[in-house]
Amino acid sequence: EAQVTQNPRYLITVTGKKLTVTCSQNMNHEYMSWYRQDPGLGLRQIYYSMNVEVTDKGDVPEGYKVSRKEKRNFPLILESPSPNQTSLYFCASSRGRGGSYNSPLHFGNGTRLTVT
Amino acid sequence: GIQVEQSPPDLILQEGANSTLRCNFSDSVNNLQWFHQNPWGQLINLFYIPSGTKQNGRLSATTVATERYSLLYISSSQTTDSGVYFCAVEPSGGSYIPTFGRGTSLIVHP
Repeated sequence: EAQVTQNPRYLITVTGKKLTVTCSQNMNHEYMSWYRQDPGLGLRQIYYSMNVEVTDKGDVPEGYKVSRKEKRNFPLILESPSPNQTSLYFCASSRGRGGSYNSPLHFGNGTRLTVT
Repeated sequence: GIQVEQSPPDLILQEGANSTLRCNFSDSVNNLQWFHQNPWGQLINLFYIPSGTKQNGRLSATTVATERYSLLYISSSQTTDSGVYFCAVEPSGGSYIPTFGRGTSLIVHP
């Protein structure tokens, strides 16, 4: 089954403790991205990747890191989480760039992160 | 950057009613997509529709790119249609950052 898998689904951590949220897709998609969703603000893109070893900042990259060493994986790293990073995070992938080439965005099921 | 506005922000329907959701955008776009976020938080792609009209069961969407808007029609609504509907656009000109509207929250009562 074609899917985007995020882990964990729920995560509670403390300020400053490094964490990684994993994302993997099995569709051989080139494009992958991370979003955060906050009440009243909708979804905002954090980072995106056009292919292996190619990443770029989205709208809200501060406090986050990503890597794309393999085509299928795109982990999101919070080196020193802070309470303002409490949010619902989504990973997404598509065949072409940003959902073009008639290639819709496929989302993972989300990771709800709480930083205390 | 491009502005994406969705209306109405909230909608309450009785099961069986029809509705129209609107997405306006401020600049030309390469593509537009509609998503449904169900009450469990999952985001499901409904339509990839940079222009024209598409239908999928009780749902259909129309994008008029020259006038910078898209409409999502829901006919004979069901309680399972409840959730938040987002449109997302990718601006023309090389940006790879899809911009999402703030969504329309739909509640369908039995």
